[in-house]
Amino acid sequence: ETGVTQTPRHLVMGMTNKKSLKCEQHLGHNAMYWYKQSAKKPLELMFVYNFKEQTENNSVPSRFSPECPNSSHLFLHLHTLQPEDSALYLCASSQRAGDADTQYFGPGTRLTVL
Amino acid sequence: GQNIDQPTEMTATEGAIVQINCTYQTSGFNGLFWYQQHAGEAPTFLSYNVLDGLEEKGRFSSFLSRSKGYSYLLLKELQMKDSASYLCAVRDSNYQLIWGAGTKLIIKP
Repeated sequence: ETGVTQTPRHLVMGMTNKKSLKCEQHLGHNAMYWYKQSAKKPLELMFVYNFKEQTENNSVPSRFSPECPNSSHLFLHLHTLQPEDSALYLCASSQRAGDADTQYFGPGTRLTVL
Repeated sequence: GQNIDQPTEMTATEGAIVQINCTYQTSGFNGLFWYQQHAGEAPTFLSYNVLDGLEEKGRFSSFLSRSKGYSYLLLKELQMKDSASYLCAVRDSNYQLIWGAGTKLIIKP
């Protein structure tokens, strides 16, 4: 238990569906992150929020839309995804972004796009 | 470009010692992390090195040489529960984490 929870743990969706991933951290951190993890590839940073403000968007397609209503919650809204978007989506948090703090991860959502 | 290299897979025997290497080429250096990730679970923080030398934490130790762009994670007295992927990550000059693809460690009885 790392103090970061993610729901759902597994998601199967069609290319025309709309779904959302949820992340919640109970660590009192101010920065939250979305990563994509594909088999045998390095973690890819997607989005960074620092004190609820988006500070990083690493050229992520617009079919992925993040939302951070407060420092404890982070969402990733999905629509018209492609099969190559199938991956493990990890959420992480840290005290502050752009600093020498350790990131703590949630267990991830295993996404399959049919 | 920035790059982190670590072996894709390693096999070791229960009770033995294994060393997982990580080499990096990054734009600046602000620390190196090792994480452990069991299949289907969250990556969990193992160690952080920012100065050269060896950091020991129980059965796990991590070594850093900044001049060589090199680190290793040493696991002693291996247990079956140590079967996992081990991720190396370097924080660059912009404080971005650059990740390796991970090393899958298989422990055999």
